[in-house]
Amino acid sequence: AQSVTQPDIHITVSEGASLELRCNYSYGATPYLFWYVQSPGQGLQLLLKYFSGDTLVQGIKGFEAEFKRSQSSFNLRKPSVHWSDAAEYFCAVAHNQAGTALIFGKGTTLSVSS
Amino acid sequence: KAGVTQTPRYLIKTRGQQVTLSCSPISGHRSVSWYQQTPGQGLQFLFEYFSETQRNKGNFPGRFSGRQFSNSRSEMNVSTLELGDSALYLCASSLAGPRGGEQFFGPGTRLTVL
Repeated sequence: AQSVTQPDIHITVSEGASLELRCNYSYGATPYLFWYVQSPGQGLQLLLKYFSGDTLVQGIKGFEAEFKRSQSSFNLRKPSVHWSDAAEYFCAVAHNQAGTALIFGKGTTLSVSS
Repeated sequence: KAGVTQTPRYLIKTRGQQVTLSCSPISGHRSVSWYQQTPGQGLQFLFEYFSETQRNKGNFPGRFSGRQFSNSRSEMNVSTLELGDSALYLCASSLAGPRGGEQFFGPGTRLTVL
């Protein structure tokens, strides 16, 4: 069965420091991978997605992610974190080719210290 | 363009009752997916509707059902409510073309079962 694992439940990063959030997936075919962010009281917002092609994908708000098939990983990175990045981050894999019916990881809560 | 709207935003019900939640997708979006978000289980896929047909279904009991109307608006129903059904229910819409795309999430309906 498809699954997504986010090993880190909570991460604290200093403002201005770099960030990497880990995501591992289990999926039998070509995965369609996503990162979403959820701020308190806000809905889920798509940061970036990978369907095929270049394994390094750029997203909004300065985020990028790298797809590594050999490691079944899709880690999210940002070179310099801002206080406004504090939120919960979810990695997800699409259950079907249409990119809907997402299977989500349990999420990683990011805190940013000054 | 208006976003995904969900009504009501908050609901309080008692065990054994039933509840209906509504979702209006972004204009032109034909796919609507429903998710349940709880602190313990995280985000879980309930079902997806496309052109009034259920296209995908998650692993939830038959008490959870849904439907989609010709204008793409969707409703989900939960019968015989249990305490464990207390959750944030999120609706997402997308164009759901053959290469997939972005799912846009609504703000959610917070259901509390007493």
